[in-house]
Amino acid sequence: DAKTTQPNSMESNEEEPVHLPCNHSTISGTDYIHWYRQLPSQGPEYVIHGLTSNVNNRMASLAIAEDRKSSTLILHRATLRDAAVYYCILRGFDNNDMRFGAGTRLTVKP
Amino acid sequence: ETGVTQTPRHLVMGMTNKKSLKCEQHLGHNAMYWYKQSAKKPLELMFVYSLEERVENNSVPSRFSPECPNSSHLFLHLHTLQPEDSALYLCASSQDRRFPGNTIYFGEGSWLTVV
Repeated sequence: DAKTTQPNSMESNEEEPVHLPCNHSTISGTDYIHWYRQLPSQGPEYVIHGLTSNVNNRMASLAIAEDRKSSTLILHRATLRDAAVYYCILRGFDNNDMRFGAGTRLTVKP
Repeated sequence: ETGVTQTPRHLVMGMTNKKSLKCEQHLGHNAMYWYKQSAKKPLELMFVYSLEERVENNSVPSRFSPECPNSSHLFLHLHTLQPEDSALYLCASSQDRRFPGNTIYFGEGSWLTVV
C-alpha cells in the first residue's frame, strides 16, 4: 500500500491560514489523495480530495505537487472549530479501501 | 448529519453478554464498512461489504460477527468480548467501493465499554 507521512501535531492561531503537509513519495499514477478530519468524539468527515490538479471547496484547498509526491491541505482562515485530527490518505484501484494513519493533530489558539 | 446513522451511541456490556451495533445509511450507497478506533490509536478497518457481500475481513476475532442484510443496513454482532475491545466503533458507507475517487461517509460512532 502507498503510505503517507504527516507531522504528528501542528498549532495555528485563529483566523490565520494553516498549511498541513503530507508526503506520499510512493504514490502511483492512479492514487487519489483524500483528506479527512476527525473532531473530538465524532466520526471522520470528508474535507477534500484530488488526483493531479489543485482543488478548492468551501472547506479547504488542496495543493498537489507537480510530481504528486506531496500535497498540502490549506485552511484559509482557521477557526476554533477546525481543531481536529487531519488525515491524508491515498486510495487507488489496487488499494481502494480507506485506511487511516495517525494523522496530524491541529490545535487552534484563540 | 452525514446520512449514516449508528445505534446505540453508547453501550456498556459484560464479557458474557451478546449485543449488536446497528448502522443504517440513507445515501443509496452500495458499500459499507466497520472501523474500530481504540484510545490513542488510528482507525482500523475491520470489515468491508460491497453489494451486500463481505469483501474484506482484516483478521478480526470471531467474537465480532458482521451482517449486511441489505445495502442500507449493517450490523456488528458482539459476543464474549474482552475489556480491550472497548473502543469507538464507526460505520461508514460509499458509492461503488471500486472507484477510489469516491467519498466515504461516516456515522457518529458507537462507544462500547466492556466490563
